[in-house]
Amino acid sequence: DGGITQSPKYLFRKEGQNVTLSCEQNLNHDAMYWYRQDPGQGLRLIYYSQIVNDFQKGDIAEGYSVSREKKESFPLTVTSAQKNPTAFYLCASSIPTGSRGYTFGSGTRLTVV
Amino acid sequence: GQQLNQSPQSMFIQEGEDVSMNCTSSSIFNTWLWYKQDPGEGPVLLIALYKAGELTSNGRLTAQFGITRKDSFLNISASIPSDVGIYFCAGLRSGGTSYGKLTFGQGTILTVHP
Repeated sequence: DGGITQSPKYLFRKEGQNVTLSCEQNLNHDAMYWYRQDPGQGLRLIYYSQIVNDFQKGDIAEGYSVSREKKESFPLTVTSAQKNPTAFYLCASSIPTGSRGYTFGSGTRLTVV
Repeated sequence: GQQLNQSPQSMFIQEGEDVSMNCTSSSIFNTWLWYKQDPGEGPVLLIALYKAGELTSNGRLTAQFGITRKDSFLNISASIPSDVGIYFCAGLRSGGTSYGKLTFGQGTILTVHP
């Protein structure tokens, strides 16, 4: 069955460390997205990529970086420059137009300790 | 970035009651989508709407694409405890800088008391 997989489910980071969140999809989708979700808030777009080797900043890209070297993979690095990284991170993918909606992964909960 | 105005923000209801929520925007959308997010999981698509005035059902869920194309509504009939979660609306405009990018509402948190 096709799907989108995020790992790990829970991640703990020490202050000052960079961490990378994995997102892999086998849906043959061209477009992939990263969202951040804080308690009681909606989804905020961090980065998105509509094609391999290309990506664009979303609304809250500061302190984050991404790469898109393969169609199936869109890892997100939370850098030490991100001042408040504790949140729930969601990865999604879609066909280029987005007209069938996004398929979301099950999320990674990042906690700074 | 732009957000859709989704209301209510939260609802506390008794099992068996019907639920209504809506999303409004100052902009026109060509596609409206409704998602449900269970606690600790990613959102799952419930219903997709593609035409103004369209009314679509999925079991106990019914959603409508507003005639003005600036709003959408979701109704849940005879709620059950597993309806608990966060419901998001999302809109899609075609072309330009919005190509492929969904605009999400802030979510409606639904609590169902047995």
